[in-house]
Amino acid sequence: QVQLQESGPGLVKPSETLSLTCTVSSASISSYYWSWIRQSPGKGLEWIGYIYYSGSTNYNPSLRSRATISVDTSKNQFSLKLSSVTAADTAMYYCASGGSGWYDNWGQGTLVTVSS
Amino acid sequence: SYELTQPLSVSVALGQTARITCGGHNIGNSNVHWYQQKPGQAPVLVISRDSNRPSGIPERFSGSNSGNTATLTITRAQAEDEADYYCHVWHGTTVFGGGTKLTVL
Repeated sequence: QVQLQESGPGLVKPSETLSLTCTVSSASISSYYWSWIRQSPGKGLEWIGYIYYSGSTNYNPSLRSRATISVDTSKNQFSLKLSSVTAADTAMYYCASGGSGWYDNWGQGTLVTVSS
Repeated sequence: SYELTQPLSVSVALGQTARITCGGHNIGNSNVHWYQQKPGQAPVLVISRDSNRPSGIPERFSGSNSGNTATLTITRAQAEDEADYYCHVWHGTTVFGGGTKLTVL
């Protein structure tokens, strides 16, 4: 069973960059697609984007200008950077396995609050 | 942009059949996936590619997809099935439905 674990700061100031990392275990990151998905408090799911181990990416058009997803195969990790954050970016951030298909494994999620 | 429409809430009596719909233009031409999310937990895949149950998902969960509506069916609903359910398709970008809260009475 693939396991994913998100890590990163739980508090980010407005206008700064949110940075999260997802560590993958029990599977090689060099074999699949990997995604970031977020959920604002009390709201539904919003896809941020995905990356293939080769580095190719695809983003939600609404976040494309601010989101960057990268992969570090040597550490079996992939990461998310979201720039110029506002309170609207406050959410639970999940990493998951999958790209344009289904998401069959999810991390437990990490809550990121944007506040000064 | 492509949109998926789910009812905000569905109620079902314990042991009866619950049906949660997901509407979208010609959704029958897409692969639909379904997730269950319990409070404070990450979503869990319960149906992939319209009707495929991942390992470990009870047989009472099933799915269908045709025309403009995909349906998640839970037969003999149990108390532990009370959760939010989301449908999902790939339509050039990932699209999630707004979610349906299932209450088991």
